[in-house]
Amino acid sequence: GESVGLHLPTLSVQEGDNSIINCAYSNSASDYFIWYKQESGKGPQFIIDIRSNMDKRQGQRVTVLLNKTVKHLSLQIAATQPGDSAVYFCAEKDTIDTDKLIFGTGTRLQVFP
Amino acid sequence: EAGVVQSPRYKIIEKKQPVAFWCNPISGHNTLYWYLQNLGQGPELLIRYENEEAVDDSQLPKDRFSAERLKGVDSTLKIQPAELGDSAVYLCASSLTTSPGSEQYFGPGTRLTVT
Repeated sequence: GESVGLHLPTLSVQEGDNSIINCAYSNSASDYFIWYKQESGKGPQFIIDIRSNMDKRQGQRVTVLLNKTVKHLSLQIAATQPGDSAVYFCAEKDTIDTDKLIFGTGTRLQVFP
Repeated sequence: EAGVVQSPRYKIIEKKQPVAFWCNPISGHNTLYWYLQNLGQGPELLIRYENEEAVDDSQLPKDRFSAERLKGVDSTLKIQPAELGDSAVYLCASSLTTSPGSEQYFGPGTRLTVT
């Protein structure tokens, strides 16, 4: 219900530490995955993506890992900064409709000094 | 380059009143999306346009929701009449194409409160 949605999983990390945000996806046929960052009052912002033929992809300070066996996705943020504080969503592409994003439950990342 | 523009940013209305949201996508983006985002949850697709054609409106509650993109550029989403449960953020997004790697760019959203 609505009250469940208010209690986002929260990850609190100290500035400079590494962060790992996890996501379980539902559709074993999904072949494209994206991580989004959403700051308060803003729309989701693309961070990094990965296709199902890859296990790992790296960007600037971010790494996405994909484990298709257990349908698990993770986002690693190196040297977490206060500006990384936001809600993070994973999304999968519906392969029947290849441009339909299905978002997972968000995780709130809080960075403290 | 300007991003996706939405207006208004906030709207408060009483139940049973109509409301409309406007979206201007990034220039040159043929695909436009409207999403609904409830508090603490991820966005859910309401409708997707390819130019002026609605190609996926399966999640749009057609009894009270309507959308249009007459000239294949900007779009409006309307609710009539609004219900208390419609309180949410309505996000618009656009992408260049529909290929899986074509990034969707989101606007800031319109936060609707129905009292």
